[in-house]
Amino acid sequence: GPKVLQIPSHQIIDMGQMVTLNCDPVSNHLYFYWYKQILGQQMEFLVNFYNGKVMEKSKLFKDQFSVERPDGSYFTLKIQPTALEDSAVYFCASSLDDTQYFGPGTRLLVL
Amino acid sequence: GDQVEQSPSALSLHEGTGSALRCNFTTTMRAVQWFRKNSRGSLINLFYLASGTKENGRLKSAFDSKERYSTLHIRDAQLEDSGTYFCAAWNSNNRIFFGDGTQLVVKP
Repeated sequence: GPKVLQIPSHQIIDMGQMVTLNCDPVSNHLYFYWYKQILGQQMEFLVNFYNGKVMEKSKLFKDQFSVERPDGSYFTLKIQPTALEDSAVYFCASSLDDTQYFGPGTRLLVL
Repeated sequence: GDQVEQSPSALSLHEGTGSALRCNFTTTMRAVQWFRKNSRGSLINLFYLASGTKENGRLKSAFDSKERYSTLHIRDAQLEDSGTYFCAAWNSNNRIFFGDGTQLVVKP
C-alpha cells in the first residue's frame, strides 16, 4: 500500500540546537500531520497542515515548532531551539481524504 | 492492517445505549491506544494502555496482551459521540499498527 517515509530514522542533537525532521508523504496526498510519542506514553497530536497552512495545532505544538512543505517536497517539522523534553518519537502521517497513512517515526534524542 | 483487525467497521446506536468496539491482534502487542478522529481529521487520544483497563467518563478501555485484544466500551451514548474511532497497537519492536476504524453514528 501507500508508504510514508521519514528521514532520518534517528537523530541525536544537543539541547538548544535546531533540528528538522523530514517526512516524505504519499505523493497525491493533501493533508499532513505530525504526532509526538514520548517513550512509554501515548501518541499525541501536534499539528494538521493543509494547502500550505496550519489548520489545527495542539498545545504541545510549542512556539519553537514550525512546519512547512516547500514546493510539494518534504513535509518538515523544525524545532528551534530544541529542549530536553522534545526527546520523543515523531510520527508523520498523510491523507487524501479519510485514511491517514503513518510513517515509521523519527526517534529524536535531545542531550 | 493485517496485524490489527478492528470491528465493527460501522456501528449505529440510539442515544442512551452502549456497545463495544474491539481490536484483535495477530501477534503480541505491548501497548494499545484508542483515538477518535476530530472534525479536522486529526487523531485525538482517548486511551493509552500497556495492560488492564482505563475509564474516562462514559468510555472504558481494556487491553489483554496475552489474549491479543483490546476493547473500547461506550455507555449512555450521546449524539456528540458520533465519529470515527481507531485503535493502534505497538509490537515489541515499537512498530505501530492501526485498525481500519469504526464509524459510529448515534441516533436520537
